[in-house]
Amino acid sequence: EVQLLESGGGLAQPGGSLRLSCAASGFTFSTYGMSWVRQAPGKGLEWVSTIGDSGGSTYYADSVKGRFTISRDTSNNTLYLQMNSLRAEDTAVYFCAKRRQNIVGSPYDSWGQGTLVTVSS
Amino acid sequence: SYVLTQPPSVSVAPGQTATITCGGNNIGSESVHWYQQKPGQAPVLVVYDDSNRPAGIPERFSGSDSGNTATLTVSRVEAGDEADYYCQVWDSSSDHWVFGGGTKLTVL
Repeated sequence: EVQLLESGGGLAQPGGSLRLSCAASGFTFSTYGMSWVRQAPGKGLEWVSTIGDSGGSTYYADSVKGRFTISRDTSNNTLYLQMNSLRAEDTAVYFCAKRRQNIVGSPYDSWGQGTLVTVSS
Repeated sequence: SYVLTQPPSVSVAPGQTATITCGGNNIGSESVHWYQQKPGQAPVLVVYDDSNRPAGIPERFSGSDSGNTATLTVSRVEAGDEADYYCQVWDSSSDHWVFGGGTKLTVL
């Protein structure tokens, strides 16, 4: 059974940093692209970032490009999102998600339960 | 950037058919995916590549895609289908995923 468990959320000040982690199990982590998707309180889903299976390809939403960095560690089956220069509008639940197939454009067939990030002074 | 437009809400009586649309420029040439999200839960993929269902998704969920509109159809609606539904497309011109704004399905 695929399991994705996010951690690292919490309260951060504007301009501060947080690093989110997503521990993956139940599948061969090194052979699937992964993504982060967020959802602000009461709002819809917003794609944040995607990383290819090898980590060589990364993609970012315009709203986070230059501030967030996605990475992965296949030795411990973990996906990361380093978030710098945080803004109030980054407040959201952050989900990690696994591609259904290892193809660019393949949707997400497994999601974690999310971790809440609150940016406030 | 590519934009996907969904109606904010759709209401339907139990047993009837719900139709949720997702508008986008020439979306018929794209692969469209649909997610169901219930309050406090993570999204669940219910239709992928326009009209395919993942394992475990009831046949009551179906999808189609043509012209400038993609459609998610939920037949014989049940109370448990009440949720937010999101369409999604990979915009290859920008290498960005795009989500629609979401549609709240209310079962009367």
